[in-house]
Amino acid sequence: EAQVTQNPRYLITVTGKKLTVTCSQNMNHEYMSWYRQDPGLGLRQIYYSMNVEVTDKGDVPEGYKVSRKEKRNFPLILESPSPNQTSLYFCASSLSYRKETQYFGPGTRLLVL
Amino acid sequence: KNQVEQSPQSLIILEGKNCTLQCNYTVSPFSNLRWYKQDTGRGPVSLTIMTFSENTKSNGRYTATLDADTKQSSLHITASQLSDSASYICVVSHSGGYNKLIFGAGTRLAVHP
Repeated sequence: EAQVTQNPRYLITVTGKKLTVTCSQNMNHEYMSWYRQDPGLGLRQIYYSMNVEVTDKGDVPEGYKVSRKEKRNFPLILESPSPNQTSLYFCASSLSYRKETQYFGPGTRLLVL
Repeated sequence: KNQVEQSPQSLIILEGKNCTLQCNYTVSPFSNLRWYKQDTGRGPVSLTIMTFSENTKSNGRYTATLDADTKQSSLHITASQLSDSASYICVVSHSGGYNKLIFGAGTRLAVHP
């Protein structure tokens, strides 16, 4: 089944404790992206990747890192999480960066205490 | 500033009734407009995608319209079902650069029996 998977789905952590949220897609998509969703706001892009080893900042990249060593995986790293990073995170992928539909993962709900 | 605004913020209708959701955008240059459905606790799922030259597109009981001159779009849901209860997100693609997506905050629809 074609899908985007994220792990973990739920995470509670404390300020400053490094964490990684994994994202994987099995559709051989070139383009992958991370978003955060907060109440009353639209999804905001954190980072994106047009292909392996090609990543760039989105609208709200502060406090996050990403890597794209393989085509299928695009992990999101929070080196030193802070409470303002409490949010719902979505990974998405599409065939390319053009107008093709983006497929979203199920989301990761993160609480930073 | 590139923005996408949706109205109403929330809506309650009775099962079987029709409803229309609105989306106004100021994104320029414009590439395409998409409507996504997001069930609670899940990632958004694409309903329709329309380019500049398309006025209307249907997906089952969902019909999206686009007026690129006035920069307005609507999503019409016919004969609503309980399963239509979800958030509906309007997403406009900015054609500068890598086809960046700009998300509206969504309309939360509740369909009651």
